[in-house]
Amino acid sequence: NAGVTQTPKFRVLKTGQSMTLLCAQDMNHEYMYWYRQDPGMGLRLIHYSVGEGTTAKGEVPDGYNVSRLKKQNFLLGLESAAPSQTSVYFCASTQGGGWNTGELFFGEGSRLTVL
Amino acid sequence: AQKVTQAQTEISVVEKEDVTLDCVYETRDTTYYLFWYKQPPSGELVFLIRRNSFDEQNEISGRYSWNFQKSTSSFNFTITASQVVDSAVYFCALSEAIKGSQGNLIFGKGTKLSVKP
Repeated sequence: NAGVTQTPKFRVLKTGQSMTLLCAQDMNHEYMYWYRQDPGMGLRLIHYSVGEGTTAKGEVPDGYNVSRLKKQNFLLGLESAAPSQTSVYFCASTQGGGWNTGELFFGEGSRLTVL
Repeated sequence: AQKVTQAQTEISVVEKEDVTLDCVYETRDTTYYLFWYKQPPSGELVFLIRRNSFDEQNEISGRYSWNFQKSTSSFNFTITASQVVDSAVYFCALSEAIKGSQGNLIFGKGTKLSVKP
């Protein structure tokens, strides 16, 4: 049971470089999320998707783009990385949302450092 | 607006002590869910509990118990007879549970619990 898989797990970038984080889930979940975790800040929602082909902004979307071309995959892109984007990124998925929000299943996290 | 406050940034206890982690939330909705997640040093996030706003019964699961009080907007988490393996960061979270809402979770900033032998 793979659950939610994030790749890569670690990455070091230089300012201005671009990269994409991939999240894949094998539970046929409709809802997928990208969070970032910073010391003392908890988890903050970057973008989310309520189904294939849909995306929406969360609390801290600036500097990120996302795509959900396939139901099982949710990609997070950084077009021009900045040191402020140094963080641990978590992907999560769940079957229900809104009135039926259930347990979120999280990936193991991706640690990104921008120099 | 929704908000989750975990006022305790860090707590340190000695093994076998009981410890309570506080969670206070704000929401204008009458229907919502509350969650607790555990993040051990390895980094993954582990689901502990989900509670619907209409269910104020306290819950016990082994050494873990949760006290939900709508009157004080609190959803506190108690670990009885703590163990070193309980050392982790614990997050409380809130989501709207109304139709039309996306049910996005709003997380508190977490409480880091250290249990010393």
